[in-house]
Amino acid sequence: DQQVKQNSPSLSVQEGRISILNCDYTNSMFDYFLWYKKYPAEGPTFLISISSIKDKNEDGRFTVFLNKSAKHLSLHIVPSQPGDSAVYFCAASAGGGSNYKLTFGKGTLLTVNP
Amino acid sequence: EAGVAQSPRYKIIEKRQSVAFWCNPISGHATLYWYQQILGQGPKLLIQFQNNGVVDDSQLPKDRFSAERLKGVDSTLKIQPAKLEDSAVYLCASSARRNYGYTFGSGTRLTVV
Repeated sequence: DQQVKQNSPSLSVQEGRISILNCDYTNSMFDYFLWYKKYPAEGPTFLISISSIKDKNEDGRFTVFLNKSAKHLSLHIVPSQPGDSAVYFCAASAGGGSNYKLTFGKGTLLTVNP
Repeated sequence: EAGVAQSPRYKIIEKRQSVAFWCNPISGHATLYWYQQILGQGPKLLIQFQNNGVVDDSQLPKDRFSAERLKGVDSTLKIQPAKLEDSAVYLCASSARRNYGYTFGSGTRLTVV
């Protein structure tokens, strides 16, 4: 049972345009959401996060939106750059402390074309 | 701040052989995780340690996988005997505070032939 779903395996956008990556979740107990970026032969790196008490969080070119009623979140990258080409993983957690563990989606390969 | 160190980076073994992976987390991070990432899938949690105690190993195939974290610092993950379906990248991660997420190591790519 996949609790975090990224239904688009890949996305291709032009440099300078907006990239929108989507993620859906099924577990109502999830209360913290993160996006990770992964380059080939490297481990995933933390990009941006959002708590369930918020509906938007911005960090430079990256914005994450959370729609709790729809159990949906999205990552917007504006403007997209060729260096953003990577696999993006959506992750979610329920609870903190020793219960803090992340459940990941399958990832979306983003390609930004010059 | 040094990152999460993992070794080896790559390993090729024959099925039924054994293999071990090593992880050194970020200094001071109490929580350590081992994840398995099969090609085309997201990382899947195998085991979670809090200091040197196991918090969650519900998805660890205990008939062949084992892990330990001695003295609450370094950790090793062992597979014995390996199967073809164990071919994956094994990622180690550590965390200090929830809102900073995990820090991952570069992973060990295991190929079982």
